[in-house]
Amino acid sequence: AQSVTQLGSHVSVSEGALVLLRCNYSSSVPPYLFWYVQYPNQGLQLLLKYTSAATLVKGINGFEAEFKKSETSFHLTKPSAHMSDAAEYFCAVSDHNQGGKLIFGQGTELSVKP
Amino acid sequence: DAGITQSPRHKVTETGTPVTLRCHQTENHRYMYWYRQDPGHGLRLIHYSYGVKDTDKGEVSDGYSVSRSKTEDFLLTLESATSSQTSVYFCAITGTSGVVSTDTQYFGPGTRLTVL
Repeated sequence: AQSVTQLGSHVSVSEGALVLLRCNYSSSVPPYLFWYVQYPNQGLQLLLKYTSAATLVKGINGFEAEFKKSETSFHLTKPSAHMSDAAEYFCAVSDHNQGGKLIFGQGTELSVKP
Repeated sequence: DAGITQSPRHKVTETGTPVTLRCHQTENHRYMYWYRQDPGHGLRLIHYSYGVKDTDKGEVSDGYSVSRSKTEDFLLTLESATSSQTSVYFCAITGTSGVVSTDTQYFGPGTRLTVL
């Protein structure tokens, strides 16, 4: 069975600092991996996805993530945090042979201090 | 933005009453999904559909049923609502490549349901 673990339910950074949100996955087949962002009272918006092409994936708003098979990780990073990055972030894994169902991590709430 | 709407956006109901949530898409996508979001649990799949009248259970399907009589509509029904079903419900859609779903899931705005 697939699973996703996000380390840290809350992360706080200063504006301009590095953002690092951790995600580890478990999958018996080559996974598709996703990061979504959710702003307050809104739906989920795709940040980026890995679907077995390049291991370093660039997304919107300056975010990127690196797929590391040996570490079963897909950590999300951004070099310099902006106040507008404050939101909840979800990592998800998909078994693309099972109807594309997503298994989500618990979410990480990112706070950005001025 | 993907053409997904959910109705109602907010609903307060009482324990034991039936509730139906609607998801409507204008993208003609094959796959549709219902998730619930609860603090500390992320999003969990309730049911999904891979075509008209083709549905299957997800991780937390107990107490829920679904129907899909048209490509564009996917209904989620709580036959007899309980307080444990208080949650935010999201619908999602995705396209297909060949016979499998490989594309990104796009999410609706959500329905906040409170069961008193």
